[in-house]
Amino acid sequence: GNSVTQMEGPVTLSEEAFLTINCTYTATGYPSLFWYVQYPGEGLQLLLKATKADDKGSNKGFEATYRKETTSFHLEKGSVQVSDSAVYFCALSDTPLGGSQGNLIFGKGTKLSVKP
Amino acid sequence: ETGVTQTPRHLVMGMTNKKSLKCEQHLGHNAMYWYKQSAKKPLELMFVYNFKEQTENNSVPSRFSPECPNSSHLFLHLHTLQPEDSALYLCASSAGPSQYYNEQFFGPGTRLTVL
Repeated sequence: GNSVTQMEGPVTLSEEAFLTINCTYTATGYPSLFWYVQYPGEGLQLLLKATKADDKGSNKGFEATYRKETTSFHLEKGSVQVSDSAVYFCALSDTPLGGSQGNLIFGKGTKLSVKP
Repeated sequence: ETGVTQTPRHLVMGMTNKKSLKCEQHLGHNAMYWYKQSAKKPLELMFVYNFKEQTENNSVPSRFSPECPNSSHLFLHLHTLQPEDSALYLCASSAGPSQYYNEQFFGPGTRLTVL
């Protein structure tokens, strides 16, 4: 079945460091891919998305490229800030063509802590 | 109010109590979801409603009872819960099943503690 695997945390970085959070997926059909972020005490917010192969999603300095050949959607940011401390979730939305209803399937989340 | 709202934000209840969680979306969406988020576990999809009809129930115990009176409101009725049901309960909404993608918008969650 469809699944998402993301690197386990926690990840601790210093301010202005480069961030990569790995995400790989298994899916039938043509899924759309998402990164959600959850700040402390809040619900999940959509950070960025990509709906087809080679698309690059970007927002707030974060980027992720939909790589069909490696079934990956790694999240990157060139220079993290303390305010980026949160839990990051990779997710895919399978499609009705795959026999589903297009629900989201989430990874386990990666906690990022950025120190000043 | 904008987006997805949830009330209450925090709830403490005994195992014999009956309580309800409320979710409201102001986005004109047709699909609504309940998720359970426990510490150190993946986000668990509980229920899905499309156009007020329940379309998914992921083997959720009957002590959790959802209700969707219209496309804007979703409730989760709780009774005789167990301590292991303590978690953050998240509500989400989306435009509906889509051939291409299904962007979901989340509420802030209700932090539930069962004593």
